[in-house]
Order: sequence, then C-alpha cells, then structure tokens
Amino acid sequence: AQSVTQPDIHITVSEGASLELRCNYSYGATPYLFWYVQSPGQGLQLLLKYFSGDTLVQGIKGFEAEFKRSQSSFNLRKPSVHWSDAAEYFCAVGSNNAGNMLTFGGGTRLMVKP
Amino acid sequence: DVKVTQSSRYLVKRTGEKVFLECVQDMDHENMFWYRQDPGLGLRLIYFSYDVKMKEKGDIPEGYSVSREKKERFSLILESASTNQTSMYLCASRLDRGPTRETQYFGPGTRLLVL
Repeated sequence: AQSVTQPDIHITVSEGASLELRCNYSYGATPYLFWYVQSPGQGLQLLLKYFSGDTLVQGIKGFEAEFKRSQSSFNLRKPSVHWSDAAEYFCAVGSNNAGNMLTFGGGTRLMVKP
Repeated sequence: DVKVTQSSRYLVKRTGEKVFLECVQDMDHENMFWYRQDPGLGLRLIYFSYDVKMKEKGDIPEGYSVSREKKERFSLILESASTNQTSMYLCASRLDRGPTRETQYFGPGTRLLVL
C-alpha cells in the first residue's frame, strides 16, 4: 500500500527566507507525486506534479520540488517566502494502476513571520 | 479552468439528521471523489465514482453513502449524522483520459458541524 509522510506538522519562517517542506513516500513502483496548497477556508489548489522525466519540477507561485528516488522524497522548496504563502501544504502520491487513487500526507502548516 | 463547486461552505446539523452534501463540476470529468479532512490526518477518501451510477468505497466509507445520477453531480449522504462526522468535506473531480488524467481538482470544501 502506498503512504505519504510529512514529518513537519508546523513550520514558521520569516518573510523573505527560503523554505523547504519535506515529503517522504512509500510506493512500490514509480509514483505520481503532487503538492497541493490549501489557503485558510479554501479547497486544495495544485502547486505542481511529477509524473516522469526531469526530477526537478517547477510549479506555480515560484515553488519547485525535487524527486529523489533513492531517498523516496519529494520535497517542496521556495527561495523567498511571501506572507501570502501562509497556508497548509499537502503532499500526495498517486498510483499508476487503473484506480489512480491519491494518498495524502497529514499536511504541513506554514506560518510566515513579518 | 476547471470549476468544482460545493453546495454549502458551512453546515450545522443535529445528531440523527440526514445530511446531503452536493458537489458539481463543469468540465465533463468522469471521475469524482469525496474526502474528509481532519487535522493531522490529511485527506481520507470516503467514496469515489468512475462514472454515472457507479461508485466505489474508499478508505472510510462507514456511515456514508453516495449518489451519482448525473455526470456533473456527486452527492455525499450521511444517513444519520453523528458527532464524529464533524469535519471538513472536500469534493474533487478528474478527467479519466489524456495527459492530465492523474490530476484531481478540488472544490472549496464544506465544513460540517454535528451537534
């Protein structure tokens, strides 16, 4: 069975600082990997996704993520955080079988200090 | 742009009531999903539907049922609401073909409080 772990429940960074959110997955084959963001009171918005090819993936809002198969990781990064980035971030892994179900991590809540 | 809408943003119900949560998508997606979101647990799949009148149980279907009579609409039903069903409910849809077939698009969520 596939699973996703986001080790950090809360992270606080200063505005302008760099950010890295960790995501580790467990899956037997090549996974499909996603990062979603949820702003307060909102649904989930897709930030970026990895299916195959280049292991460094660019997303919206200046985010990027790197797939590292050897570490079973798909960490999300941003070089300079803005106050509007304060939100909850979810990593998800999808299977490439007929069901293509997503399994989500528990989420990381990001707070941004002025 | 894909649009997924949910009938209510906030809902307050009493224990034992029958509750309907409605979800509509406007992009002709075949697949639709219902999740519940609880702090620290992320999103957990309740039910999904591959197509009209088709449904499959997810990871936590107990206490819930669903209905998909039309392609654009997927309803989640709590037959007899209980306090442990207080949660945020998220609907999603997905195209079942093409280069984006793995990507799910989410609605804004319904925050349900059962008293």
